[in-house]
Amino acid sequence: EIVMTQSPATLSVSPGERATLSCRASQSVSSNLAWYQQKPGQAPRLLIYGASTRATGIPARFSGSGSGTEFTLTISSLQSEDFAVYYCQQYNNWYTFGQGTKLEIK
Amino acid sequence: EVQLVQSGAEVKKPGESLKISCKGSGYSFTSYWIGWVRQMPGKGLEWMGIIYPGDSDTRYSPSFQGQVTISADKSISTAYLQWSSLKASDTAMYYCARLRYSYGMGSYDAFDIWGQGTMVTVSS
Repeated sequence: EIVMTQSPATLSVSPGERATLSCRASQSVSSNLAWYQQKPGQAPRLLIYGASTRATGIPARFSGSGSGTEFTLTISSLQSEDFAVYYCQQYNNWYTFGQGTKLEIK
Repeated sequence: EVQLVQSGAEVKKPGESLKISCKGSGYSFTSYWIGWVRQMPGKGLEWMGIIYPGDSDTRYSPSFQGQVTISADKSISTAYLQWSSLKASDTAMYYCARLRYSYGMGSYDAFDIWGQGTMVTVSS
């Protein structure tokens, strides 16, 4: 099983600033990597697939990068609605999620 | 509108059986894999398995193989997740989600449409 490890567990950032979230795979997943956002009481929402392609309706301030085992989700200028939990997921070999990064207001 | 609508919250006792549902609409239900994802209270997301409603081809995560059964009825565009004997440790939110089809790659990839979730509580 491919293990996905996200860091940090919690990230405190001020509105308007940039947030950088990391995700590492235990073995190469090529570009078969997605990012999801989950707000309290809501289902997850797909943000990024193919490591760097924004899903339909996702604002341009969200960007993804990386390939192989190292991936990054960047939110360029945090809005109030962006504070949530973010999960990475590999789909190269079945499906595995990271444990999540909680993005909180500083 | 493409959507998945799940059945309502359930409260059950250990040892009881349960079947929850996920109804798709707004798209060709038989042409997309549907997955089930568990989220235990305060925890992360775990993939349980997927089903292709067109032919009921089903794949399970090793962690959930033998613990649950995934099925679908394409005539009513509905997928199911069922337990024959619930345990307290099955208490969780369960989401169904559709796998996105990549025309460029000719394959399925991420979960693009999610149901609202079904909370299952197992307690004596």
